[in-house]
Amino acid sequence: QKEVEQDPGPLSVPEGAIVSLNCTYSNSAFQYFMWYRQYSRKGPELLMYTYSSGNKEDGRFTAQVDKSSKYISLFIRDSQPSDSATYLCAIGDYKLSFGAGTTVTVRA
Amino acid sequence: GAVVSQHPSWVICKSGTSVKIECRSLDFQATTMFWYRQFPKQSLMLMATSNEGSKATYEQGVEKDKFLINHASLTLSTLTVTSAHPEDSSFYICSADGLRSEGIHNEQFFGPGTRLTVL
Repeated sequence: QKEVEQDPGPLSVPEGAIVSLNCTYSNSAFQYFMWYRQYSRKGPELLMYTYSSGNKEDGRFTAQVDKSSKYISLFIRDSQPSDSATYLCAIGDYKLSFGAGTTVTVRA
Repeated sequence: GAVVSQHPSWVICKSGTSVKIECRSLDFQATTMFWYRQFPKQSLMLMATSNEGSKATYEQGVEKDKFLINHASLTLSTLTVTSAHPEDSSFYICSADGLRSEGIHNEQFFGPGTRLTVL
């Protein structure tokens, strides 16, 4: 079993739609949960991180962590074409375990 | 702030040659740097953890004699792929560990990656 499983994509949505991205993980000891955005042939950049359970909002982005079900989510509201990228979840307190990534395309 | 650079951004080499990739933290000191490999449409796989002044710690299945890591200073780590073969062709990404502004968690700042193609 992989440490982190991410919903496979790709996702294609119209501009303005809500994008929902999900991951599950196996190690209940993890405390830090992160979402990275990666453009083609570039390194990942941190979008949001959450410590322990709960929600965190930053502009159009909301990250949710449910430690009881080992499930994390990222929601993008009012999606824009510039949000088109691959989104990776990552979990870990020091070394990070990444999901496989979901490629999102927002159509203008 | 927290910029990490990698050099070269892409390299093509012949099978059997060695390739060195540099990872630099430009505006902060990183005691720890991480090296990842990413195959097309797959996730980042951690290869090794590199601490300044000490030997790197390799993940299971990663050959330490093939992927030589040197972390000589707080701003530079190098990955050398020795005797490269076509199956080593991949996207290699480094990250540097830096203190978040909140001070509660060290964030990994990623370099732009190096695309290695071995012919």
